Amino acid sequence: GQSLEQPSEVTAVEGAIVQINCTYQTSGFYGLSWYQQHDGGAPTFLSYNALDGLEETGRFSSFLSRSDSYGYLLLQELQMKDSASYFCAVRALYNFNKFYFGSGTKLNVKP
Amino acid sequence: DAGVIQSPRHEVTEMGQEVTLRCKPISGHDYLFWYRQTMMRGLELLIYFNNNVPIDDSGMPEDRFSAKMPNASFSTLKIQPSEPRDSAVYFCASSDGQGNQPQHFGDGTRLSIL
Repeated sequence: GQSLEQPSEVTAVEGAIVQINCTYQTSGFYGLSWYQQHDGGAPTFLSYNALDGLEETGRFSSFLSRSDSYGYLLLQELQMKDSASYFCAVRALYNFNKFYFGSGTKLNVKP
Repeated sequence: DAGVIQSPRHEVTEMGQEVTLRCKPISGHDYLFWYRQTMMRGLELLIYFNNNVPIDDSGMPEDRFSAKMPNASFSTLKIQPSEPRDSAVYFCASSDGQGNQPQHFGDGTRLSIL
C-alpha cells in the first residue's frame, strides 16, 4: 500500500524560504510529484522527481531521497500568491499511471 | 489549447436522485482520471481510462458509482442513487502518458447532496 504524510499547515512571511516535507511508506514507486491547489481551484502540476536529488524550476525546487523515504518542496522568495495547498503524490510501481496523493499542506504566506 | 473541461461546475440535488458529471479531456491525451476530493479523505483516485478503456476502477466506492468513456473526447461519472456522503468536489484530469506524466485537472464539479 501507499501512505504519504505531510504537515497540515505551514506559515511563512513574504520573501522567505519555506520547505514542505513529504514522508512516505510505500512498497515501491516510480517517482514523486508535487501539485499546487489554490482555494476553490484545481490542482496544478509543479514538479516531478524520478531520481534522487534536487529538481529546480524557477523559485520552486523539489528533492527526493528514496533511501530516507522522504521528499520536500522548497519555495523561495515567497509571494502572497503562493498561499495555497501543496500535495505530494507517488507514482505507483506496478500501476504506472496511478498516483496516490498526500493529504496536502496548506501554506499561508503573510506580509 | 483548451484545458480539461468539466460540467456542471456546481450541482445541488436531493438524495436519491441520479447525478451525471461530464468531462472533456485535452485533445490528444490518452489517459483520463476521475478523482474525488473531501476534507476527510483528501484527493482519491476513483477510476482511470486509457484509450477509452477503464484500466483501474478499484477506487470506485460502490456500485452506485459508474463511469464511461464512449470516445476520446468525452467521459461521464454517474452516481445513482446519490447519498449525502457523496458530497465532494469531483475532478477530472487527463495526461498524455509521456515522460513525467503531469496530470492536467479540470476546474471540478462541486456536488452537494441534500
